[in-house]
Amino acid sequence: QKEVEQDPGPLSVPEGAIVSLNCTYSNSAFQYFMWYRQYSRKGPELLMYTYSSGNKEDGRFTAQVDKSSKYISLFIRDSQPSDSATYLCAMRDSGGYQKVTFGTGTKLQVIP
Amino acid sequence: ETGVTQSPTHLIKTRGQQVTLRCSSQSGHNTVSWYQQALGQGPQFIFQYYREEENGRGNFPPRFSGLQFPNYSSELNVNALELDDSALYLCASSFSVQETQYFGPGTRLLVL
Repeated sequence: QKEVEQDPGPLSVPEGAIVSLNCTYSNSAFQYFMWYRQYSRKGPELLMYTYSSGNKEDGRFTAQVDKSSKYISLFIRDSQPSDSATYLCAMRDSGGYQKVTFGTGTKLQVIP
Repeated sequence: ETGVTQSPTHLIKTRGQQVTLRCSSQSGHNTVSWYQQALGQGPQFIFQYYREEENGRGNFPPRFSGLQFPNYSSELNVNALELDDSALYLCASSFSVQETQYFGPGTRLLVL
């Protein structure tokens, strides 16, 4: 079993829809949770960064972390065609070096 | 402020050869991490360098090695290339070992 599980999709939604992306994990030591967006043939771009449980909002993006369920989510409101990309969840513990463990990524397509 | 840059953007090698990939960290960042991203997968942590010393390593064989220079730029060396080494190699830099990582665009390696 992988430490981080993420549905690879693809996920197709109409423009303006609310998108929900999710990951589950098994390592209870994970303390920091991130979402990256990766366009085709590009490096990952950090979208959201949260510590421990709770919600964080940034513009159209909301990240939720439920450590009791080992479940994290990213919501995208009013989705745009420019949001079409692969979304990677990532997480790490508070250890001495920063080994970030990624999900496989969910490919999102927002249809105009 | 200059972001993380990597060179070359892509290259082709044959099995058994050696390759060196380069990364220039973002200004002010003293920590560099390298990741391997196979097609359709999330990035896998290779190792991290902090102030010219290897600070942590993932599950990769010793033929994957690295260097970090006094200006905090870094190299990833892979010896005895195998077909499965074909992937996007990502470099990420951060202000320190515990801070957020910012990724470069990657080097796409094809091993024939």
